Amino acid sequence: EDKVVQSPLSLVVHEGDTVTLNCSYEVTNFRSLLWYKQEKKAPTFLFMLTSSGIEKKSGRLSSILDKKELFSILNITATQTGDSAIYLCAVLIQGAQKLVFGQGTRLTINP
Amino acid sequence: GAGVSQSPRYKVAKRGQDVALRCDPISGHVSLFWYQQALGQGPEFLTYFQNEAQLDKSGLPSDRFFAERPEGSVSTLKIQRTQQEDSAVYLCASSIQTGVGNQPQHFGDGTRLSIL
Repeated sequence: EDKVVQSPLSLVVHEGDTVTLNCSYEVTNFRSLLWYKQEKKAPTFLFMLTSSGIEKKSGRLSSILDKKELFSILNITATQTGDSAIYLCAVLIQGAQKLVFGQGTRLTINP
Repeated sequence: GAGVSQSPRYKVAKRGQDVALRCDPISGHVSLFWYQQALGQGPEFLTYFQNEAQLDKSGLPSDRFFAERPEGSVSTLKIQRTQQEDSAVYLCASSIQTGVGNQPQHFGDGTRLSIL
């Protein structure tokens, strides 16, 4: 059974801290890994990672994929209260087109 | 519109009633997906359309769940004889992807369904 596991499930830090969110996966037919940010509404797309070892960066957020060890991390530097959200990791299954999601990490940034 | 649009945003129904949830994908997006998100969980795949063809319905939890996309654009998810365990947020997503290349799925705000 395809499985995506995120850790930690919940994280509370102070504004300005750096955080690292983890995502590991076991799937039959990996195509790519995606990160989404979910506030109260739609999950919004952050990154799609297909190749190992290539960091993707957008402002204070960055992510990298390790296809040998089957995990990805999402880093957020100089956190702000607006970064508070649930961060979802998902794996796109080759052929099936569907996303298999992890449980999410609830990140809270305190001022 | 610019994004995926879902309606209604909230739906309350009594157990046993039928409900219909609507999704308007991003214009030109070939692929459309439905997911179910229970409280505190990640979304779970229900079904996938490429244009009007339903290519995967392996995630539909029972035969009470039915989805259609008759003209390859708007999609409707119907749940018959609703049960309390159907209470969840139903998310719709669309992508340009046609089976080749990597394009992300873009999500709507979801319909929060509560069964009393």
